[in-house]
Amino acid sequence: ETGVTQTPRHLVMGMTNKKSLKCEQHLGHNAMYWYKQSAKKPLELMFVYSLEERVENNSVPSRFSPECPNSSHLFLHLHTLQPEDSALYLCASSQDHGSNQPQHFGDGTRLSIL
Amino acid sequence: EDQVTQSPEALRLQEGESSSLNCSYTVSGLRGLFWYRQDPGKGPEFLFTLYSAGEEKEKERLKATLTKKESFLHITAPKPEDSATYLCAVQAQTGGFKTIFGAGTRLFVKA
Repeated sequence: ETGVTQTPRHLVMGMTNKKSLKCEQHLGHNAMYWYKQSAKKPLELMFVYSLEERVENNSVPSRFSPECPNSSHLFLHLHTLQPEDSALYLCASSQDHGSNQPQHFGDGTRLSIL
Repeated sequence: EDQVTQSPEALRLQEGESSSLNCSYTVSGLRGLFWYRQDPGKGPEFLFTLYSAGEEKEKERLKATLTKKESFLHITAPKPEDSATYLCAVQAQTGGFKTIFGAGTRLFVKA
């Protein structure tokens, strides 16, 4: 398998549930990213990991908790989310954080909060 | 403040009708400008990277150009399969080399 793979593709959860999004990259990249994409808005960077260390956290609410156990896997743990958190969550990877190389994206998880 | 603005928001073309999409940027020190294509229900797919003013890249019916203030994505004789949202992103030297995305241009090509 190649590229960036995200699971699940769709997720519906209540505000009191706890769930996790998973991302796996098979590109040998050292940096991984979580983005939030809402309709007609630019991608919002949430977290950046470089060599499994978090290097950026863009004022994201604590109900989103990232985890990067190794350079190929990235998780986003969700708990007590709000309706405004409904969006497409995209994972991306790049060769290195800070290099001017493009990021490569997965197909996202469509999250709906009831 | 670093900013990326794409125009128009939406563009409707007839098949074969060439046009251009615009990406204007204001950043402190451009390290790279990226174009992506995004189909409904999919993640953005990388198209081009441009690094310096005057640079051009081509792929099939698409050609990307770069100046010191903006980039254009020219679409020559588009086909219905070119319908997608086209995203522009800029990596700046400031802000920890953050990549800033525009809101995209939705392109519709009618047969």
